[in-house]
Amino acid sequence: QQQVKQSPQSLIVQKGGISIINCAYENTAFDYFPWYQQFPGKGPALLIAIRPDVSEKKEGRFTISFNKSAKQFSLHIMDSQPGDSATYFCAVHSGNTPLVFGKGTRLSVIA
Amino acid sequence: EADIYQTPRYLVIGTGKKITLECSQTMGHDKMYWYQQDPGMELHLIHYSYGVNSTEKGDLSSESTVSRIRTEHFPLTLESARPSHTSQYLCASSEYPGTLHFGNGTRLTVT
Repeated sequence: QQQVKQSPQSLIVQKGGISIINCAYENTAFDYFPWYQQFPGKGPALLIAIRPDVSEKKEGRFTISFNKSAKQFSLHIMDSQPGDSATYFCAVHSGNTPLVFGKGTRLSVIA
Repeated sequence: EADIYQTPRYLVIGTGKKITLECSQTMGHDKMYWYQQDPGMELHLIHYSYGVNSTEKGDLSSESTVSRIRTEHFPLTLESARPSHTSQYLCASSEYPGTLHFGNGTRLTVT
């Protein structure tokens, strides 16, 4: 059973547009919700993360929106740039267990 | 910049050979992980360790083994490589389970 469902699988956005990636989870025990960014040939890197006591967190052009009642969270990339083209993974975490990743979204930002 | 190092970066090896993928980190993290990932695709946890002499199997059934004799070192061994093992192997470490630092991976090809 997949603990976190990520959509879409791939996304094409015009330069300057808003990229939105969504994740949904089932287990209400999850208490940490990070997003990782991976460029080709590199390992994933932590991009931004949120805890369930806040509904939104913003870092530069990247924002996480968190809806605890709906058990959903999303990544918004404002003013998307070609350099944002990468694979994005959401993840969920609780307790002392390993992080659980979504299946990833391949984002392409075209000029 | 990640302080986690994986060697070799690329490896081509014949079927039946024994191989060890090396992973070292300089951050003093207790927690270390191995993931298998086809390029740009889903991350599959194959082994993890929360400290010296402690190892656990992940979600993906694997014919590999790991050891954790020193905090900074977490090697992955395949006793008999097969073409189905062709993939990218990513090592990660963390101080907290939700915040992973990844290496840049070993791209393994078994012929």
